[in-house]
Amino acid sequence: DAKTTQPTSMDCAEGRAANLPCNHSTISGNEYVYWYRQIHSQGPQYIIHGLKNNETNEMASLIITEDRKSSTLILPHATLRDTAVYYCIVREPMIYNQGGKLIFGQGTELSVKP
Amino acid sequence: KAGVTQTPRYLIKTRGQQVTLSCSPISGHRSVSWYQQTPGQGLQFLFEYFSETQRNKGNFPGRFSGRQFSNSRSEMNVSTLELGDSALYLCASSWTIAGGMNTGELFFGEGSRLTVL
Repeated sequence: DAKTTQPTSMDCAEGRAANLPCNHSTISGNEYVYWYRQIHSQGPQYIIHGLKNNETNEMASLIITEDRKSSTLILPHATLRDTAVYYCIVREPMIYNQGGKLIFGQGTELSVKP
Repeated sequence: KAGVTQTPRYLIKTRGQQVTLSCSPISGHRSVSWYQQTPGQGLQFLFEYFSETQRNKGNFPGRFSGRQFSNSRSEMNVSTLELGDSALYLCASSWTIAGGMNTGELFFGEGSRLTVL
C-alpha cells in the first residue's frame, strides 16, 4: 500500500506557485520521496526526488520537513500545461536485490486555471 | 533518443482469451517495470525485471506473468482474461546503478490499452 497521503484535488491560478503537500508520517530513515505527474492519457513523468535535503531542478522544488514526515512539491510558475495528477511516493529501500519498487497512491489532481 | 515503446497501443479481447504485451525500453536501460492502471484502483505495480529475472512482484494473480529478454525487451502475458483486466498497461524502464538497483527515475511508455469484452 502507498505510504503517503495527498489531497484529492487542488486548484492553482496560472503564473502562480503551486504548492502540493504530501504526508508520509511513517517514512523510514533510508526511504526516498519521489514525485511523478501524469498528464491525461500519457504515462507518468518523473519530476524530482529527495531524501532529507531540499532539492530543485528545472521542473520543480521539493521541500522536505526536518522530521521527514511531510514534503511539499513546488511548481514556481504554474502553466496550463501543468494540469495533471501529481503522485507523491515513498520508495521502499532495496535489500538483497529486492524492493525499491515505486508504489503509486491516488495522487492530487491539480487544475491550473487561467 | 527513442523513448519506451509499447505495442500494441490498443487491443480488444474477449473473456477467456490471453494477451501478450510488448515493451522496448530506452537503450541502455536494464530495469523494466510494469503497471496496471484502472479508474478504480489507480496505478498498481505488477512486476519488475532486471537482467532477465523478475525481482519484484505486485499482488496480482498468477494469470499475470512476464519475462525479459537478453536485450532488455520485456513482455507481459495475461491468461484467461476477465472483464476486470480491462486497463491501461504501462511499461517503464530505468537506468540501474551498482548492484542493479534502478534509480527510481522511471521512463514510462504511452501504454497498451486493453479492453476485455
